[in-house]
Formats: sequence, C-alpha cells, structure tokens
Amino acid sequence: DAGVIQSPRHEVTEMGQEVTLRCKPISGHDYLFWYRQTMMRGLELLIYFNNNVPIDDSGMPEDRFSAKMPNASFSTLKIQPSEPRDSAVYFCASSFGTSGTDTQYFGPGTRLTVL
Amino acid sequence: DQQVKQNSPSLSVQEGRISILNCDYTNSMFDYFLWYKKYPAEGPTFLISISSIKDKNEDGRFTVFLNKSAKHLSLHIVPSQPGDSAVYFCAASEYGTNSKLTFGKGITLSVRP
Repeated sequence: DAGVIQSPRHEVTEMGQEVTLRCKPISGHDYLFWYRQTMMRGLELLIYFNNNVPIDDSGMPEDRFSAKMPNASFSTLKIQPSEPRDSAVYFCASSFGTSGTDTQYFGPGTRLTVL
Repeated sequence: DQQVKQNSPSLSVQEGRISILNCDYTNSMFDYFLWYKKYPAEGPTFLISISSIKDKNEDGRFTVFLNKSAKHLSLHIVPSQPGDSAVYFCAASEYGTNSKLTFGKGITLSVRP
C-alpha cells in the first residue's frame, strides 16, 4: 500500500516566484495535514483538513500561503510570491479517525529552496 | 512560544547503553503524547505514544514515561542500536482537537558502534 506521496521532492526557485507543493494522502484517510520543518522552529503545523474541509489554518504564516483540497486524494500548498525565508522542508501527513490519538502518516517531504 | 520543548538538540550514546530523550510541555490541556522518529530524507514515523491516564508505556526496546505534575516525558531506548540514530520528535495533543499535534524541535540521537 502506497504511503503519503508528495511532489516534487526538491524545489529550487527564485524569490517572487509561485511555488506549488502537492500531496496525495493515504486512501481512506479523512484528515490531511501540512507541516513545515525549519531548524529554528522544528515541525510546525500550517493547516489541516477534515473530509476536504479546512479546519484550522492558524499556522499559515501569511497570506502568501494558501492550501486547497479539491478532493479526498489530492491537496496543494501554494506560496505566492515566495521569499527566501520560506526555505524549509514541507511535509504532508494524513490520518484516519476523529480523536487526537490517531496516528499521522507522513510523506517524504518537499525540500524548498528560495534563492 | 514553544508549548512542547526538547531542550537538548543532540545526544550521543554508546551502542548497547540506554538512551534517554527528554521532553517538556507547558500546556496543561495536553493529554496525549507521542514520539516520532525521523531518518534523513524521510518523513517522521510514529514510534510510541502515551495517554495522560498512564505514566508508562512500553513497546519492545522503547519505553515512554510521563510525569504529569512536572509536565515532563521521556523516551528510553534500551539497548541502543546504531539503527536508532535519527531525529526524535516529541508531540502532544488535546483530546477533542481533531488530531491536531504540537511538535517539539527534535533531538538528534547518535548511537556509536
């Protein structure tokens, strides 16, 4: 069974460009999470969805960040315009269930470098 | 403000010895705690968890201890193996918050052969 799939694995772009990160959750999972990992702040939750509906986007750093989940098998995280401080590893995770005890399964991450 | 703190960024231990990874939290509403393990170029993977109604949970070589009064938990790995070398993240959640996890910054464990 395939795990969480993320693309691209690496992205290098120039400041001001639009960046789109993609995620395919595990089939049947009803929660999807976007995280960002940096040395300074560790793993931060950006936004999460339940049944394709955004539940909590309080972690989204600025209006430059947006996320969508048009269907149960696909989500995007977009940064427009990108800035050097957005350089980080972005993880997507999914889980099944409705309590805080459900295991989250992470994708391999997208390493974003903004020059 | 970090609600989950892993104050030691790294730990190095000899193979076969015990590894103790510590984690502190400030939010008294947290009632479920997890440890995730992360290898380079991979996503974090779930390792072990503990509910606030317990003070210990064991799974093979891994044991997590919870001290609610001190708002402190620790992960013990006995015996440590070179394959345990990874970044370990402590995470916490509140029941009823729809699976939202708050992570610490992680601890890099190196197990020397």
